[in-house]
Amino acid sequence: NAGVTQTPKFRVLKTGQSMTLLCAQDMNHEYMYWYRQDPGMGLRLIHYSVGEGTTAKGEVPDGYNVSRLKKQNFLLGLESAAPSQTSVYFCASSYLGQASGNTIYFGEGSWLTVV
Amino acid sequence: AQTVTQSQPEMSVQEAETVTLSCTYDTSESDYYLFWYKQPPSRQMILVIRQEAYKQQNATENRFSVNFQKAAKSFSLKISDSQLGDAAMYFCAYRRYFGNEKLTFGTGTRLTIIP
Repeated sequence: NAGVTQTPKFRVLKTGQSMTLLCAQDMNHEYMYWYRQDPGMGLRLIHYSVGEGTTAKGEVPDGYNVSRLKKQNFLLGLESAAPSQTSVYFCASSYLGQASGNTIYFGEGSWLTVV
Repeated sequence: AQTVTQSQPEMSVQEAETVTLSCTYDTSESDYYLFWYKQPPSRQMILVIRQEAYKQQNATENRFSVNFQKAAKSFSLKISDSQLGDAAMYFCAYRRYFGNEKLTFGTGTRLTIIP
């Protein structure tokens, strides 16, 4: 049972470099999300998608872009990494509507350090 | 906008004892879901328990139960017979009943189990 899988798990970037985090889910979920978690704070939503080909901004979208070309994949891109983007990134997914009680399932997180 | 507040940054409990973690939230919605997630040192987000706002009965999952007070907008988590494996960050989260709304998280409570 893979569930929600994130790659890579760990990455160190230099300021100004670009990278892409990949999220894949095998539960046929319509909704997918990218969150970031910083010390002393809960998870904050970066971007989300309600279906293939759609994306929308969350609470903290600046400096990030996303794409959902396939239903099972949700990519998070950093075009020019900054030290403020050092964080743990979580991908999540859920069904459309009330199935499974609206539960959101999370990946294991990706640790990103920008130096 | 919905907000979730966890006023206890840290809690500790003796092994085998009972502990209650507090959560309050603010919303103008009448239908919604509330969740408690556990985040152990591995950083994985694990669903502990879910409550539907339209249900008056408090949710229970083995040693975990909630005290849901809708009028007071309070959603506390009680852990009975605390075990060493319960040590983790616990996040309270809110999600609207309808639509594609994301989870709104509190800032978390770090629970320490004293052997």
